[in-house]
Amino acid sequence: AQTVTQSQPEMSVQEAETVTLSCTYDTSESDYYLFWYKQPPSRQMILVIRQEAYKQQNATENRFSVNFQKAAKSFSLKISDSQLGDAAMYFCAYIDYGGSQGNLIFGKGTKLSVKP
Amino acid sequence: NAGVTQTPKFRVLKTGQSMTLLCAQDMNHEYMYWYRQDPGMGLRLIHYSVGEGTTAKGEVPDGYNVSRLKKQNFLLGLESAAPSQTSVYFCASSYSTEQFFGPGTRLTVL
Repeated sequence: AQTVTQSQPEMSVQEAETVTLSCTYDTSESDYYLFWYKQPPSRQMILVIRQEAYKQQNATENRFSVNFQKAAKSFSLKISDSQLGDAAMYFCAYIDYGGSQGNLIFGKGTKLSVKP
Repeated sequence: NAGVTQTPKFRVLKTGQSMTLLCAQDMNHEYMYWYRQDPGMGLRLIHYSVGEGTTAKGEVPDGYNVSRLKKQNFLLGLESAAPSQTSVYFCASSYSTEQFFGPGTRLTVL
């Protein structure tokens, strides 16, 4: 079965600095998608970035970028120039249309704090 | 365009009571999902639907039932609420890989 592991329950970063959140996953599928979702205190789930497994190029969205290592099954999120509004829970998620049957599988999340 | 909405936003039940959570989407998405979020557990899939009139079990379906009578609505029912069902419930919809989430419902069962 597919699993997603986030080994850092909590992380902290100074405002304007860079932080990297870790995520590893396990799958036997070759075609899948990976996501990072942000959940601020408002509870709303917000898609931050997505990566297609068949693409070698790492996805980037403004200050957010990923380091996708397919062979290592690693998918880390880098936040550059951290802002106070980045403080939130961050969830790594996986989906495929084989074993997971098109269902998102989430990690347990990393709580990010941003210090002014 | 409201996206995904959930009703109610908060609810307190006594053990054994029943209730229905309503999820509505106005994006004409085929796929809809119900998740629960517990502290330290991330989101776990309860039930999902790949189209009007169809439903399927997810990872944690016990104690819940669902119905998808209309494409835009996905109902989650608790027939006899238990304290273990205290959680935050999220609905989501999608047309491809990206899922769009509702604001969540906080349910407390006493």
